[in-house]
Amino acid sequence: NAGVTQTPKFRVLKTGQSMTLLCAQDMNHEYMYWYRQDPGMGLRLIHYSVGEGTTAKGEVPDGYNVSRLKKQNFLLGLESAAPSQTSVYFCASNDRKGETQYFGPGTRLLVL
Amino acid sequence: ILNVEQSPQSLHVQEGDSTNFTCSFPSSNFYALHWYRWETAKSPEALFVMTLNGDEKKKGRISATLNTKEGYSYLYIKGSQPEDSATYLCAPTETSGSRLTFGEGTQLTVNP
Repeated sequence: NAGVTQTPKFRVLKTGQSMTLLCAQDMNHEYMYWYRQDPGMGLRLIHYSVGEGTTAKGEVPDGYNVSRLKKQNFLLGLESAAPSQTSVYFCASNDRKGETQYFGPGTRLLVL
Repeated sequence: ILNVEQSPQSLHVQEGDSTNFTCSFPSSNFYALHWYRWETAKSPEALFVMTLNGDEKKKGRISATLNTKEGYSYLYIKGSQPEDSATYLCAPTETSGSRLTFGEGTQLTVNP
């Protein structure tokens, strides 16, 4: 079991470029989440999904889009990257509402 | 978005000291309270999930209590060790959804 994996681990973008972050889990979890972590701000929820084909907005969804076409994958897209999106992005998953979330190793993104 | 407060923000203790932190959250619509341990350059790892008022959980030298009526939880570490150095996050979830709202954490440093 790999658990939750994220690709890439690190990426540098120029302002205006686009990219997609991939989160994959092999635990057959229904729920998946994308967070961003910034100094002094803790973990903030960007978008989440309660099942294949569903997505919902979190606290800070602006500038991001997501898709959950397959149960095991949750993609986070940045259509036009901005320096304010420089952050560490964590993906997480769990099986049922309120249960422990399992986190991926994180993706460090730098937008110049 | 839930208002989650953790105190203190940071704490420095000597090896062997016992310590505790507080997590405060809204008591209405409570569903569960999570504690996570987050070491630098790693991803958050679950410590406890607590649901019942008066619940007490223990894992080795770490324990936690929960008061859902007044909206707080305490995390205790007995006989702190340098390897306990980490940020400790709490995250409540409401009955209405599957989202966790993370506090900013308490950063613990244990000096040898």
